[in-house]
Amino acid sequence: QAGLTQPPSVSEALRQTATLTCTGNSNNVGHLGAAWLQQHQGHPPKLLSYRSNNRPSGISERLSASRSGNTASLTITGLQPEDEADYYCSAWDSSLRAWVFGGGTKLTVL
Amino acid sequence: ELHLLESGGGLVQPGGSLRLSCAASQFIHNYDMTWARQAPGKGLEYVSSISATGQFSFYAGSVKGRFAISRDNSKNTLYLHMNSVRADDTAVYYCAAKTGDYFDYWGQGTLVTVSS
Repeated sequence: QAGLTQPPSVSEALRQTATLTCTGNSNNVGHLGAAWLQQHQGHPPKLLSYRSNNRPSGISERLSASRSGNTASLTITGLQPEDEADYYCSAWDSSLRAWVFGGGTKLTVL
Repeated sequence: ELHLLESGGGLVQPGGSLRLSCAASQFIHNYDMTWARQAPGKGLEYVSSISATGQFSFYAGSVKGRFAISRDNSKNTLYLHMNSVRADDTAVYYCAAKTGDYFDYWGQGTLVTVSS
């Protein structure tokens, strides 16, 4: 089942800015945007944003999401050690009639 | 705050069956629900979802025809009936609730191991 494409890993220095990308097609990301989830080792996923840039309450303002065409992006400013985690994007695919996930990006804070 | 608790995981032989449950701490009758899984050391994978009333259900191609999702809103519980399981069904299975535009409440997961 076709999923979304994410780079396997991204590394950035402490207090710098990291941008994670997620590429889909017009049936998923390009249709209704993407959600972003964060997962720390041994923990369940946590929703960070949905419909490309809506943050649930309690999510840091250092995180912002956007979309351009079929590509969604998550930008994290002022990187902190606790930002080191796996990040997944997800979207509804109107062709598959199923939710799809990206393969995940492991963010390392140097 | 909504809490979800999965149960029913364990060791099952290839070709066998298992039923997972997801108990919610409060009413879920207004929420779409989903099951996702994560194989050891791998990423998240969508499994199945069901509409708030149970009228509509959707499945990943990898489980279609083998798994069935259901819900009992009177018991605030979501189910995943797993049949004809295979080794590649081994994973932590998470349930999640969609109270807005995406699944924003997740359980802690239950481990299913398919092995002889």
